[in-house]
Amino acid sequence: DTAVSQTPKYLVTQMGNDKSIKCEQNLGHDTMYWYKQDSKKFLKIMFSYNNKELIINETVPNRFSPKSPDKAHLNLHINSLELGDSAVYFCASSHGPQNYNEQFFGPGTRLTVL
Amino acid sequence: AQRVTQPEKLLSVFKGAPVELKCNYSYSGSPELFWYVQYSRQRLQLLLRHISRESIKGFTADLNKGETSFHLKKPFAQEEDSAMYYCALRGPGGGDKLIFGTGTRLQVFP
Repeated sequence: DTAVSQTPKYLVTQMGNDKSIKCEQNLGHDTMYWYKQDSKKFLKIMFSYNNKELIINETVPNRFSPKSPDKAHLNLHINSLELGDSAVYFCASSHGPQNYNEQFFGPGTRLTVL
Repeated sequence: AQRVTQPEKLLSVFKGAPVELKCNYSYSGSPELFWYVQYSRQRLQLLLRHISRESIKGFTADLNKGETSFHLKKPFAQEEDSAMYYCALRGPGGGDKLIFGTGTRLQVFP
């Protein structure tokens, strides 16, 4: 299946822990993204990488660190998790930062911080 | 500041009724607008983009620069249209970030 995949699908953890979410795309895209969807369903971009280079970094706490080992992967590591980090995190990819490129989304990872 | 507003959190209609999901935007340049849809238990996917001027699944959306709107319309709603709909604006500067509205849940009753 050609798609954007994320693991894990669900993640339940305690405050203060460190966790990672992995994202992989096999669509041959150059650009990958992380979005956060809060409890009110509001979707907001966090990061974007193009060819393994960071090109968008919104106002996100530095406890969040994205890592792109290659073009097909963009992982999200979160240190010292807080209650407010509970959300659904979506990975996405596209052909590149050009006009009208469609972004393809992963299924999401629901993170619950207790 | 760039912003997308979807004033309705929930829109409920009966099958066969017309549907209009509202979207207004705030952007100083020439906007690039999209509608994304998320069906139950499925991933977010592109429905249509304004540049294409296309009709997808019976939905159309016209960019009105005077009213800064990009409303999504369908003349006759179907039950399978029930989903979460997000209007999105391509952000400025480098990169390709999408600025999403807060979404509208469309419920189509039989």
